[in-house]
Amino acid sequence: NAGVTQTPKFQVLKTGQSMTLQCAQDMNHNSMYWYRQDPGMGLRLIYYSASEGTTDKGEVPNGYNVSRLNKREFSLRLESAAPSQTSVYFCASSGTSLANEQFFGPGTRLTVL
Amino acid sequence: AQSVAQPEDQVNVAEGNPLTVKCTYSVSGNPYLFWYVQYPNRGLQFLLKYITGDNLVKGSYGFEAEFNKSQTSFHLKKPSALVSDSALYFCAVRDPYNTGFQKLVFGTGTRLLVSP
Repeated sequence: NAGVTQTPKFQVLKTGQSMTLQCAQDMNHNSMYWYRQDPGMGLRLIYYSASEGTTDKGEVPNGYNVSRLNKREFSLRLESAAPSQTSVYFCASSGTSLANEQFFGPGTRLTVL
Repeated sequence: AQSVAQPEDQVNVAEGNPLTVKCTYSVSGNPYLFWYVQYPNRGLQFLLKYITGDNLVKGSYGFEAEFNKSQTSFHLKKPSALVSDSALYFCAVRDPYNTGFQKLVFGTGTRLLVSP
C-alpha cells in the first residue's frame, strides 16, 4: 500500500498563475482533507470531504477550490496564486469514525513569487 | 470551540534521559486526543491517541501519553530518549460532541532535540 500520495513535491509559481495539487489514497477511506502548514501556526484545515461527492470549507478556504473526483482522489486548486499561499500543503485521509487517526501524505512545498 | 496549546516551542534532552512534551487542551466535552510526529521534509505520522478508557496510552516507538482530565493535559512521554526521536511533535484534539463538523485542531508544534 502506498498510503497517501501527493504530486508534485515542489512547485514554484508566479503571482496569478494557477495550479492543481493532486492527492490519492489507497486505504479505502471515506474522509479526505487538505491542510496548509506555516511556521509557528501548526496545521490549518483548508477544505475537507467527508465522503465521495461532498466537500466543505475548513478554516482557511479563501483562494482555493477542491474536487473529490472519486473515493480515492481529492485535488486542491489555486486559481490565481498569491504570495500568501506560499506554504507546505498536506493531504490526509481517515476512516469515517471521529476516533480514527488521519494518515498524511508527504506534502507539496509551494512557493509563489 | 476546541483548542490545543503546546507551551514549549522546543524541548532539549540528552540521549538516554526521559523526555516530556507538553500539551493542554480546551473542549466542551470529553476530548479525543492525538499525537503526531513530523520528521524533516516528511508528512505527519500518527503516534498514539486517547479516546476513552485507561488514561495511560502507549504508542509507536516507545512513546506514551497520559490523559489528565482535571488538568486538561495530554503530555507525551518516553522513558529514554534517542537521537532519532529528534523531530517536530504535534498534539491535536477533536471534540466529538461539537455540533457540525468535528474538525481535528492541531497545536503549533514542539521541536524535540535529543543530543548525543
